[in-house]
Amino acid sequence: DTGVSQNPRHKITKRGQNVTFRCDPISEHNRLYWYRQTLGQGPEFLTYFQNEAQLEKSRLLSDRFSAERPKGSFSTLEIQRTEQGDSAMYLCASSLSPGTLNTEAFFGQGTRLTVV
Amino acid sequence: KNQVEQSPQSLIILEGKNCTLQCNYTVSPFSNLRWYKQDTGRGPVSLTIMTFSENTKSNGRYTATLDADTKQSSLHITASQLSDSASYICVVSLFSGGYNKLIFGAGTRLAVHP
Repeated sequence: DTGVSQNPRHKITKRGQNVTFRCDPISEHNRLYWYRQTLGQGPEFLTYFQNEAQLEKSRLLSDRFSAERPKGSFSTLEIQRTEQGDSAMYLCASSLSPGTLNTEAFFGQGTRLTVV
Repeated sequence: KNQVEQSPQSLIILEGKNCTLQCNYTVSPFSNLRWYKQDTGRGPVSLTIMTFSENTKSNGRYTATLDADTKQSSLHITASQLSDSASYICVVSLFSGGYNKLIFGAGTRLAVHP
Protein backbone atom coordinates (compact mmCIF):
# COMPACT_ATOMS: atom_id res chain seq x y z
CA ASP A 1 0.00 0.00 0.00
CA THR A 2 1.60 3.27 -1.11
CA GLY A 3 -0.90 5.56 0.61
CA VAL A 4 -0.60 7.44 3.88
CA SER A 5 -0.26 4.99 6.75
CA GLN A 6 -1.21 5.70 10.36
CA ASN A 7 -0.57 3.58 13.44
CA PRO A 8 -2.17 2.49 15.58
CA ARG A 9 -5.67 2.53 14.11
CA HIS A 10 -7.23 2.52 17.55
CA LYS A 11 -5.91 3.51 20.97
CA ILE A 12 -7.68 3.33 24.32
CA THR A 13 -5.87 4.97 27.19
CA LYS A 14 -6.55 6.02 30.73
CA ARG A 15 -6.81 9.70 31.55
CA GLY A 16 -3.43 11.12 32.46
CA GLN A 17 -1.40 8.71 30.34
CA ASN A 18 0.77 9.74 27.40
CA VAL A 19 0.11 8.47 23.89
CA THR A 20 2.05 8.67 20.64
CA PHE A 21 0.74 8.22 17.12
CA ARG A 22 2.76 7.66 13.98
CA CYS A 23 2.15 8.76 10.40
CA ASP A 24 4.05 7.54 7.35
CA PRO A 25 3.26 9.82 4.40
CA ILE A 26 3.42 8.95 0.72
CA SER A 27 7.14 8.58 0.11
CA GLU A 28 7.71 11.49 -2.28
CA HIS A 29 5.51 13.92 -0.34
CA ASN A 30 7.43 16.48 1.67
CA ARG A 31 4.41 18.19 3.20
CA LEU A 32 2.64 16.58 6.13
CA TYR A 33 -0.42 17.72 8.08
CA TRP A 34 -2.14 16.62 11.28
CA TYR A 35 -5.86 17.12 11.87
CA ARG A 36 -8.26 16.24 14.67
CA GLN A 37 -11.83 15.18 14.01
CA THR A 38 -14.53 14.77 16.64
CA LEU A 39 -17.78 12.93 16.06
CA GLY A 40 -20.09 14.68 13.62
CA GLN A 41 -17.58 17.40 12.79
CA GLY A 42 -15.14 18.02 9.99
CA PRO A 43 -11.38 17.73 10.59
CA GLU A 44 -9.67 20.65 12.34
CA PHE A 45 -6.12 21.66 11.49
CA LEU A 46 -3.48 20.97 14.14
CA THR A 47 -0.08 21.41 12.52
CA TYR A 48 1.88 21.33 9.26
CA PHE A 49 5.41 20.24 8.31
CA GLN A 50 7.45 20.93 5.24
CA ASN A 51 10.19 18.34 5.34
CA GLU A 52 11.38 18.33 8.96
CA ALA A 53 10.36 21.92 9.68
CA GLN A 54 7.14 22.51 11.61
CA LEU A 55 5.86 25.65 9.90
CA GLU A 56 2.49 26.20 11.48
CA LYS A 57 0.66 25.17 14.64
CA SER A 58 -2.98 25.73 15.46
CA ARG A 59 -4.01 27.20 18.78
CA LEU A 60 -5.79 23.86 19.25
CA LEU A 61 -2.33 22.37 19.76
CA SER A 62 -1.94 22.98 23.48
CA ASP A 63 1.33 22.51 25.31
CA ARG A 64 0.34 18.90 26.01
CA PHE A 65 0.60 18.19 22.29
CA SER A 66 3.86 17.89 20.41
CA ALA A 67 4.55 16.81 16.87
CA GLU A 68 7.84 15.90 15.24
CA ARG A 69 9.11 14.91 11.84
CA PRO A 70 12.79 14.31 12.61
CA LYS A 71 14.06 13.22 9.22
CA GLY A 72 11.40 14.71 7.02
CA SER A 73 9.76 11.34 6.47
CA PHE A 74 7.46 9.86 9.11
CA SER A 75 5.90 12.03 11.81
CA THR A 76 4.79 11.44 15.38
CA LEU A 77 2.10 13.20 17.37
CA GLU A 78 2.38 12.88 21.15
CA ILE A 79 -0.27 13.83 23.67
CA GLN A 80 0.86 14.09 27.27
CA ARG A 81 -1.42 13.77 30.29
CA THR A 82 -4.39 12.84 28.14
CA GLU A 83 -7.82 14.23 29.00
CA GLN A 84 -11.25 12.90 28.05
CA GLY A 85 -11.65 15.85 25.69
CA ASP A 86 -8.74 14.52 23.66
CA SER A 87 -10.90 11.62 22.49
CA ALA A 88 -11.14 12.03 18.72
CA MET A 89 -9.92 10.73 15.39
CA TYR A 90 -6.44 12.02 14.58
CA LEU A 91 -5.87 12.26 10.83
CA CYS A 92 -2.62 12.68 8.97
CA ALA A 93 -2.38 13.92 5.37
CA SER A 94 0.48 14.50 2.97
CA SER A 95 1.01 16.40 -0.25
CA LEU A 96 3.69 17.38 -2.73
CA SER A 97 5.69 20.58 -2.70
CA PRO A 98 5.96 23.00 -4.40
CA GLY A 99 2.22 23.33 -4.15
CA THR A 100 -0.14 24.59 -6.79
CA LEU A 101 -3.73 25.66 -6.45
CA ASN A 102 -4.82 22.08 -7.10
CA THR A 103 -2.23 20.22 -5.04
CA GLU A 104 -3.99 17.17 -3.69
CA ALA A 105 -3.78 16.19 -0.04
CA PHE A 106 -4.04 12.47 0.66
CA PHE A 107 -5.34 11.32 4.02
CA GLY A 108 -4.51 8.32 6.11
CA GLN A 109 -7.13 6.13 7.78
CA GLY A 110 -6.70 7.93 11.07
CA THR A 111 -6.01 6.91 14.65
CA ARG A 112 -9.10 6.73 16.84
CA LEU A 113 -8.19 7.77 20.41
CA THR A 114 -10.48 7.01 23.32
CA VAL A 115 -9.55 8.39 26.74
CA VAL A 116 -11.33 6.65 29.60
CA LYS B 1 -13.99 34.41 9.93
CA ASN B 2 -13.23 31.58 7.49
CA GLN B 3 -16.16 29.18 7.63
CA VAL B 4 -17.69 26.39 5.58
CA GLU B 5 -21.31 25.45 6.19
CA GLN B 6 -23.03 22.41 4.76
CA SER B 7 -26.64 21.37 4.44
CA PRO B 8 -28.44 19.22 5.16
CA GLN B 9 -26.68 17.71 8.17
CA SER B 10 -28.01 14.31 7.23
CA LEU B 11 -29.99 12.80 4.41
CA ILE B 12 -31.69 9.47 3.73
CA ILE B 13 -32.50 8.44 0.17
CA LEU B 14 -33.50 5.25 -1.58
CA GLU B 15 -31.07 3.38 -3.78
CA GLY B 16 -31.19 4.62 -7.36
CA LYS B 17 -32.39 8.10 -6.48
CA ASN B 18 -30.47 11.33 -7.01
CA CYS B 19 -29.55 13.86 -4.35
CA THR B 20 -27.86 17.24 -4.02
CA LEU B 21 -25.74 18.43 -1.13
CA GLN B 22 -25.09 22.11 -0.46
CA CYS B 23 -22.06 24.06 0.70
CA ASN B 24 -21.74 27.78 1.53
CA TYR B 25 -18.43 29.34 2.46
CA THR B 26 -16.90 32.56 3.69
CA VAL B 27 -13.23 31.82 3.08
CA SER B 28 -10.81 34.42 1.82
CA PRO B 29 -8.55 34.45 -0.07
CA PHE B 30 -10.19 31.56 -1.90
CA SER B 31 -7.89 29.07 -3.59
CA ASN B 32 -10.05 26.08 -4.47
CA LEU B 33 -13.01 24.04 -3.31
CA ARG B 34 -12.92 20.30 -2.76
CA TRP B 35 -15.46 17.64 -2.00
CA TYR B 36 -14.35 14.63 0.00
CA LYS B 37 -16.11 11.37 0.78
CA GLN B 38 -15.47 9.90 4.21
CA ASP B 39 -16.59 6.41 5.11
CA THR B 40 -17.23 5.76 8.79
CA GLY B 41 -13.96 5.28 10.67
CA ARG B 42 -11.78 6.07 7.67
CA GLY B 43 -9.92 9.05 6.28
CA PRO B 44 -11.45 11.42 3.69
CA VAL B 45 -10.97 10.62 0.01
CA SER B 46 -11.02 13.37 -2.60
CA LEU B 47 -13.86 13.43 -5.14
CA THR B 48 -13.34 16.76 -6.94
CA ILE B 49 -11.23 19.92 -6.81
CA MET B 50 -12.40 23.16 -8.45
CA THR B 51 -10.61 26.47 -8.77
CA PHE B 52 -12.16 29.91 -9.04
CA SER B 53 -12.68 29.67 -12.80
CA GLU B 54 -14.36 26.27 -12.85
CA ASN B 55 -18.13 26.05 -12.63
CA THR B 56 -18.61 22.31 -12.74
CA LYS B 57 -16.58 19.14 -12.45
CA SER B 58 -17.63 15.52 -12.66
CA ASN B 59 -16.20 12.32 -11.27
CA GLY B 60 -18.34 9.40 -12.38
CA ARG B 61 -21.75 9.75 -10.75
CA TYR B 62 -20.59 12.75 -8.72
CA THR B 63 -20.94 16.26 -10.18
CA ALA B 64 -19.81 19.32 -8.28
CA THR B 65 -20.75 22.90 -9.12
CA LEU B 66 -19.20 26.13 -7.93
CA ASP B 67 -20.59 29.67 -7.96
CA ALA B 68 -17.69 31.82 -6.80
CA ASP B 69 -19.83 34.97 -6.86
CA THR B 70 -22.37 33.67 -4.34
CA LYS B 71 -19.76 31.46 -2.63
CA GLN B 72 -21.86 28.36 -3.00
CA SER B 73 -21.15 24.84 -4.16
CA SER B 74 -23.21 21.73 -4.59
CA LEU B 75 -22.48 18.05 -5.00
CA HIS B 76 -24.97 16.07 -7.04
CA ILE B 77 -25.01 12.29 -6.80
CA THR B 78 -26.76 10.47 -9.60
CA ALA B 79 -28.32 7.01 -9.38
CA SER B 80 -27.21 6.49 -5.79
CA GLN B 81 -25.78 3.18 -4.66
CA LEU B 82 -25.60 1.60 -1.21
CA SER B 83 -21.85 2.24 -1.24
CA ASP B 84 -22.51 5.99 -1.45
CA SER B 85 -23.51 5.90 2.23
CA ALA B 86 -20.87 8.10 3.86
CA SER B 87 -20.17 11.64 5.02
CA TYR B 88 -19.53 14.17 2.28
CA ILE B 89 -17.31 17.01 3.34
CA CYS B 90 -16.94 20.34 1.56
CA VAL B 91 -13.46 21.78 1.97
CA VAL B 92 -12.39 25.26 0.94
CA SER B 93 -8.73 25.98 0.52
CA LEU B 94 -6.97 29.26 1.03
CA PHE B 95 -3.42 29.67 -0.15
CA SER B 96 -1.49 31.21 2.69
CA GLY B 97 2.07 30.91 3.88
CA GLY B 98 3.05 28.98 0.77
CA TYR B 99 0.61 26.13 1.15
CA ASN B 100 -3.07 25.29 0.81
CA LYS B 101 -4.75 25.62 4.20
CA LEU B 102 -7.89 23.48 4.23
CA ILE B 103 -11.06 24.69 5.95
CA PHE B 104 -13.48 21.80 6.45
CA GLY B 105 -17.24 21.81 6.71
CA ALA B 106 -18.94 19.52 9.22
CA GLY B 107 -20.15 17.26 6.43
CA THR B 108 -23.47 15.85 5.28
CA ARG B 109 -24.12 12.30 6.40
CA LEU B 110 -25.80 10.41 3.57
CA ALA B 111 -27.55 7.09 4.07
CA VAL B 112 -28.68 5.17 1.00
CA HIS B 113 -31.31 2.57 1.78
CA PRO B 114 -32.31 -0.38 -0.43
